[in-house]
Amino acid sequence: DAMVIQNPRYQVTQFGKPVTLSCSQTLNHNVMYWYQQKSSQAPKLLFHYYDKDFNNEADTPDNFQSRRPNTSFCFLDIRSPGLGDAAMYLCATSREWAGGKNQPQHFGDGTRLSIL
Amino acid sequence: AQKVTQAQTEISVVEKEDVTLDCVYETRDTTYYLFWYKQPPSGELVFLIRRNSFDEQNEISGRYSWNFQKSTSSFNFTITASQVVDSAVYFCALSDPDSNYQLIWGAGTKLIIKP
Repeated sequence: DAMVIQNPRYQVTQFGKPVTLSCSQTLNHNVMYWYQQKSSQAPKLLFHYYDKDFNNEADTPDNFQSRRPNTSFCFLDIRSPGLGDAAMYLCATSREWAGGKNQPQHFGDGTRLSIL
Repeated sequence: AQKVTQAQTEISVVEKEDVTLDCVYETRDTTYYLFWYKQPPSGELVFLIRRNSFDEQNEISGRYSWNFQKSTSSFNFTITASQVVDSAVYFCALSDPDSNYQLIWGAGTKLIIKP
């Protein structure tokens, strides 16, 4: 049974046209993450939520925003996608963040975003 | 600064061979965690193992085994009797207080198992 669900699996958008990717979880985990992964590279953390607290990575472009309306859902909004934003976007969850309780992250299947 | 090095970019073996994926890490902290994830061609990242720095026991799970050596800062992963379904990219990752427990990822090793 899928526990971290990402929709859609594939997304095509036009250059500059806003796009939203969604993630839901059935694990009731406190932490949700968004990663960007380009071909043949490791995932790159964009931001994470600890409950409702939003944490943005310093080098995440302003073009990327996120919303977490409740525990189960988290959205990634790309306001004006450029060609360089074509990538796989991975959502992950973990029960806790820091404090010596480092829990493994559970990943969804990802959304592969293409920009025309 | 923290760093994870997976020196093997790509490994290709014939089915049923044993294969070892290397992972070397750098950290100043005495408390840290090491992870291995598998990413098959379908794209999802699958958690394989988490090991904390105080537990140096090697671990075996079926055909998978992990060798944690603090003396050489290595956390190597061995697949015994490899199968075609093991073909994937494998990532080693580190988290520690200095990184605020974010995952510091290695570059990944692409493993190809030929039938």
